Amino acid sequence: EVQLLESGGGLVQPGGSLRLSCAASGFTFSSYGMTWVRQAPGKGLEWVSIISGSGTNTHYADSVKGRFTISRDASKNTMYLQMNSLRVEDTAIYYCAKGGSDWGSFWFDPWGLGTLVTVSS
Amino acid sequence: EIVLTQSPATLSLSPGERATLSCRASQSVSAYLAWYQQKPGQAPRLLISDASNRATGIPARFSGSGSGTDFTLTISSLEPEDFAIYYCQQRFTWPLTFGGGTKVEIK
Repeated sequence: EVQLLESGGGLVQPGGSLRLSCAASGFTFSSYGMTWVRQAPGKGLEWVSIISGSGTNTHYADSVKGRFTISRDASKNTMYLQMNSLRVEDTAIYYCAKGGSDWGSFWFDPWGLGTLVTVSS
Repeated sequence: EIVLTQSPATLSLSPGERATLSCRASQSVSAYLAWYQQKPGQAPRLLISDASNRATGIPARFSGSGSGTDFTLTISSLEPEDFAIYYCQQRFTWPLTFGGGTKVEIK
């Protein structure tokens, strides 16, 4: 069974940093792209970033480009999201999700339970 | 950026009724559109990929259609567990984008 478990969320001040982790199990981690999607309280879904199975391809939403960095560690079956220069508007539940292939099948299933990031002074 | 507009925002129906949800893209996305279901307090779940392909384990009452700019998710006969929020997502171009969602509520 595929399982994804996010961690690393919390309360941070504007301008601060956090690193989110997504621990994966139940599939060949390096064979699948992975993504981060966020959801502000009471709002809809917003795609954040994606990384290929090999880690060589990445893309970012314009709203986080230059501030967030996605990465993955095959030896730990874990994906990361380094978030710097955080803003109040980054407050959201951050979900990680598995892609349908290494690269190209940008449909996401399953998703983790999410981790809450709150940016506030 | 491709904008996905979902309508209606809220659909009030009774169990057993047919639900028809719309997703319109600001430019063609070919058939590169997916549908997700999200229940309160839960993560989204993939229902449909590439406009019409049901994901593994998704009941046959869920069907997707459309291409280009106009897409439809149909639930043929609503079950109690189908009352949720539904989102569409395009993968035609970067950035990936989601629609604003349609809430299917019990009438």
